[in-house]
Amino acid sequence: AQRVTQPEKLLSVFKGAPVELKCNYSYSGSPELFWYVQYSRQRLQLLLRHISRESIKGFTADLNKGETSFHLKKPFAQEEDSAMYYCALSGGTGANNLFFGTGTRLTVIP
Amino acid sequence: GAGVSQTPSNKVTEKGKYVELRCDPISGHTALYWYRQSLGQGPEFLIYFQGTGAADDSGLPNDRFFAVRPEGSVSTLKIQRTERGDSAVYLCASSTWTGSAQYFGPGTRLTVL
Repeated sequence: AQRVTQPEKLLSVFKGAPVELKCNYSYSGSPELFWYVQYSRQRLQLLLRHISRESIKGFTADLNKGETSFHLKKPFAQEEDSAMYYCALSGGTGANNLFFGTGTRLTVIP
Repeated sequence: GAGVSQTPSNKVTEKGKYVELRCDPISGHTALYWYRQSLGQGPEFLIYFQGTGAADDSGLPNDRFFAVRPEGSVSTLKIQRTERGDSAVYLCASSTWTGSAQYFGPGTRLTVL
């Protein structure tokens, strides 16, 4: 069965400090991994997906199949990064739904 | 263009009543998904449509929940005999095709008293 684990419900960092939001997953096949973000009073939106290998708003995430992890990182946190972050998994190409973790609320302290 | 829209934004009902929640996907998106998000949890998959047909309804919790998408665009999630445990935010998402990036609506907050 698939499972996404985000061990930290809350994470606070100072502005300019590095930030890492942890995500571990369990899946028997070759999953696709995503990070979604929800800013205050806004809808859930896609931040990045591992197949794109992009850096969005300074965030990156690398899929580590050996450790079954997909941690989200940013070298210098900004106040506007404060939001709820969800890691999600789908069963790969053609899969039809997402499995989400419970989310991590990031607060960047000025 | 407009994003995914959902109506109503808030719905308060009494235990045992019937409710309908509506989703308008992004124009041209063939895939449509319903999720439910309870307090403190991530979204949980309910049902997925490809066109007019429900391709995967494995996430529906029981037979009180039903969803339709008769013309392959707008979808309605229907909940019969609501229970207090049905209280949650119901999210709709759409994508251009199965497996592509999903775009979420603002959600409908359902409260069952």
